[in-house]
Amino acid sequence: ETGVTQSPTHLIKTRGQQVTLRCSSQSGHNTVSWYQQALGQGPQFIFQYYREEENGRGNFPPRFSGLQFPNYSSELNVNALELDDSALYLCASSSQGAFRYGYTFGSGTRLTVV
Amino acid sequence: DQQVKQNSPSLSVQEGRISILNCDYTNSMFDYFLWYKKYPAEGPTFLISISSIKDKNEDGRFTVFLNKSAKHLSLHIVPSQPGDSAVYFCAASDNYGQNFVFGPGTRLSVLP
Repeated sequence: ETGVTQSPTHLIKTRGQQVTLRCSSQSGHNTVSWYQQALGQGPQFIFQYYREEENGRGNFPPRFSGLQFPNYSSELNVNALELDDSALYLCASSSQGAFRYGYTFGSGTRLTVV
Repeated sequence: DQQVKQNSPSLSVQEGRISILNCDYTNSMFDYFLWYKKYPAEGPTFLISISSIKDKNEDGRFTVFLNKSAKHLSLHIVPSQPGDSAVYFCAASDNYGQNFVFGPGTRLSVLP
């Protein structure tokens, strides 16, 4: 059983550019959530996808968007990058009952915006 | 406005002793709580959870206590081991796991 894999592991982008981060969910999981973790803070919920549709969104602007594919993998897209977007982006997958067993998180993508 | 607070950024404990990590929350709608552990360069790993209908849940060396009236929960690790050294996050949900609100974390160092 494979866990959650994210790519790339590290990325440097220039302010104003666009970025796409990728996530493969754990086998058997149909729900993917994305979190942003700034330095010294806890993860903050960006959005969740279930059956290829957005199923909840945190307090992030529309330039943060996502996709989920039929195989339950997912992408996070960020347009018009700002310096404050520099953070660790975590993908987490789950099946029904996530509240009981918790998410399975990937190791994250470290995004640096310069 | 932080809905989940972990007021101790760091904690040092001697190996074999008890580690107590604390978490406070402000949203009375939270009804499910989890603790995660995070090592450097890895994603958070689920440790233990508790529902608001309980006041205690135990799993091996880890016990979580919930005091709903005080909006406070704590994680006890007994006995503490050097491998427990990590950042611990408290997380809460009011929405059957659709999303969790995380605290800022407490860095635990277990000294040999």
